[in-house]
Amino acid sequence: QQQVKQSPQSLIVQKGGISIINCAYENTAFDYFPWYQQFPGKGPALLIAIRPDVSEKKEGRFTISFNKSAKQFSLHIMDSQPGDSATYFCAASETGAGSYQLTFGKGTKLSVIP
Amino acid sequence: EAGVVQSPRYKIIEKKQPVAFWCNPISGHNTLYWYRQNLGQGPELLIRYENEEAVDDSQLPKDRFSAERLKGVDSTLKIQPAELGDSAVYLCASSLVTGVRNIQYFGAGTRLSVL
Repeated sequence: QQQVKQSPQSLIVQKGGISIINCAYENTAFDYFPWYQQFPGKGPALLIAIRPDVSEKKEGRFTISFNKSAKQFSLHIMDSQPGDSATYFCAASETGAGSYQLTFGKGTKLSVIP
Repeated sequence: EAGVVQSPRYKIIEKKQPVAFWCNPISGHNTLYWYRQNLGQGPELLIRYENEEAVDDSQLPKDRFSAERLKGVDSTLKIQPAELGDSAVYLCASSLVTGVRNIQYFGAGTRLSVL
């Protein structure tokens, strides 16, 4: 059972455009939602994260939008750059249970073309 | 500050052979994770350590996989014997859990190919 569903699987965006990646979750106990960025040959690195007590979090060109009632959250990359080309993973965790186990989506391969 | 260090970076073995992966976490991080990442998929947790204790190994295939974290620092993950389906990238991550804050830092991984 996939607990975090991510879409699209791949995304091609023109330089300067907006990249949008969506995730949906099923477990209502999830209370921590990070996004990880992974370049080829590297491990995932935390990009930005949100907790369900806020609907939006912005850090530079990266914004997470969170809809608790719909159990959905999304990553928006403004003014996308070729250097943003990577695979992006959404994840969710139930920190209240003390496990901190991250459940990852399947990833979105983003290609930003000049 | 050095990040999470994993070795080897690549390993090619024949099926039924044993293999071991090593992880050195970020200094001071009390929690260590081993993940498996299949091609085109997100990482999946295999085992989590808090200090030297394995507190979550429910997803570790215990018939062939084993792990240890001696003295609560470095860790090794072993597969014996390896099967074709074990081909994947094995990622190690570490974190310092303080309250509800838990940022996991990942190593570059070990890419295992079983022939």
